[in-house]
Amino acid sequence: AQSVAQPEDQVNVAEGNPLTVKCTYSVSGNPYLFWYVQYPNRGLQFLLKYITGDNLVKGSYGFEAEFNKSQTSFHLKKPSALVSDSALYFCAVRDPPNDYKLSFGAGTTVTVRA
Amino acid sequence: DTAVSQTPKYLVTQMGNDKSIKCEQNLGHDTMYWYKQDSKKFLKIMFSYNNKELIINETVPNRFSPKSPDKAHLNLHINSLELGDSAVYFCASSRRSGNTIYFGEGSWLTVV
Repeated sequence: AQSVAQPEDQVNVAEGNPLTVKCTYSVSGNPYLFWYVQYPNRGLQFLLKYITGDNLVKGSYGFEAEFNKSQTSFHLKKPSALVSDSALYFCAVRDPPNDYKLSFGAGTTVTVRA
Repeated sequence: DTAVSQTPKYLVTQMGNDKSIKCEQNLGHDTMYWYKQDSKKFLKIMFSYNNKELIINETVPNRFSPKSPDKAHLNLHINSLELGDSAVYFCASSRRSGNTIYFGEGSWLTVV
């Protein structure tokens, strides 16, 4: 069965500093990996995905993530965090063709202080 | 022109009542989902329909019954509501062969 782990419940950074949100996964096949962001009282917004190809993927709002197969990781990064990046971030995995459902990690709350 | 829209956004109801949440997508997708987010923000899939056919049915009480009248709609009906049903319910959609799932804004259900 597929699963995702986000080892940090919270990440706190100062505005302008680099932001990293960690994610590791477990699947039986080749993973489809995703990051979503949830702002308070809002739905989930898609940030970026890795399906195949270049291990470094770029997404919305200046975020990027690096797929590392040997470490089974897909960490989300932003070179310079903004206060407006404060939100709840979810890593998710699909394991086609074994399973098309999207399984989520527990989420990481990011707080960017001014 | 919201891509995935669900109504109502907020719903407060008493235990034992029956309620429905409606969902519509205008993305031309053929697969729709219901996810539940609990009080600890954990997200778990409940159901998935592809072309009106149920393809995923996780361990969900049979008080929850999804209905898909067409590919663009997936409604969730809940009978005999319990306190533990209080959560945020997210509708989502994707192409079956595609990979990105797009979510609605959520429906906050509170059972009192």
